[in-house]
Amino acid sequence: AQKITQTQPGMFVQEKEAVTLDCTYDTSDQSYGLFWYKQPSSGEMIFLIYQGSYDEQNATEGRYSLNFQKARKSANLVISASQLGDSAMYFCAMAGGGGSTLGRLYFGRGTQLTVWP
Amino acid sequence: DTAVSQTPKYLVTQMGNDKSIKCEQNLGHDTMYWYKQDSKKFLKIMFSYNNKELIINETVPNRFSPKSPDKAHLNLHINSLELGDSAVYFCASSQTSGIYNEQFFGPGTRLTVL
Repeated sequence: AQKITQTQPGMFVQEKEAVTLDCTYDTSDQSYGLFWYKQPSSGEMIFLIYQGSYDEQNATEGRYSLNFQKARKSANLVISASQLGDSAMYFCAMAGGGGSTLGRLYFGRGTQLTVWP
Repeated sequence: DTAVSQTPKYLVTQMGNDKSIKCEQNLGHDTMYWYKQDSKKFLKIMFSYNNKELIINETVPNRFSPKSPDKAHLNLHINSLELGDSAVYFCASSQTSGIYNEQFFGPGTRLTVL
């Protein structure tokens, strides 16, 4: 069974500091994809970053980077130079590569990030 | 230009009614999805269509029926609404159904059943 765990219900960071949001996953699939989404208070889901299970390099997108440690089954999101607009709920998700899991996004419970001035 | 759109954005209705939510994507994607986000913000997949064909059907009450008239549209019809159906429903789309494609989400439809 696919499972995503986000152990931090809430995180606080000061503006301009870096913050790491934790995500661990469990899967028996050999191929899988890992995603992070941001959900601001307005409610939309915004795609941030993707990491494939066979990618050797950690993904980066602007101020976002994904710290992928395959052996530990972790895919932490690092946000550098936090901004007030980063305050939102962040979801880690996984797409399985197996026959019954293909195409499904499994989500963690989310981490509410608050950036303070 | 809106990539994935949903209507309506808000839906308030009485128990027992039937309602529909519409979704359209203009990204040329092959695959579309419905997700439910509950009051605790947990997101769970309900259905997925690939080129109008149902490929994912999670354990969802059969009061929920998706329909895909073409690959750009995926509608969700709900019969005999119950209090527990209150949630935010998100439509999403991706290039294909594979694992390497990010899913783009619509703005969500907040359904409130009274």
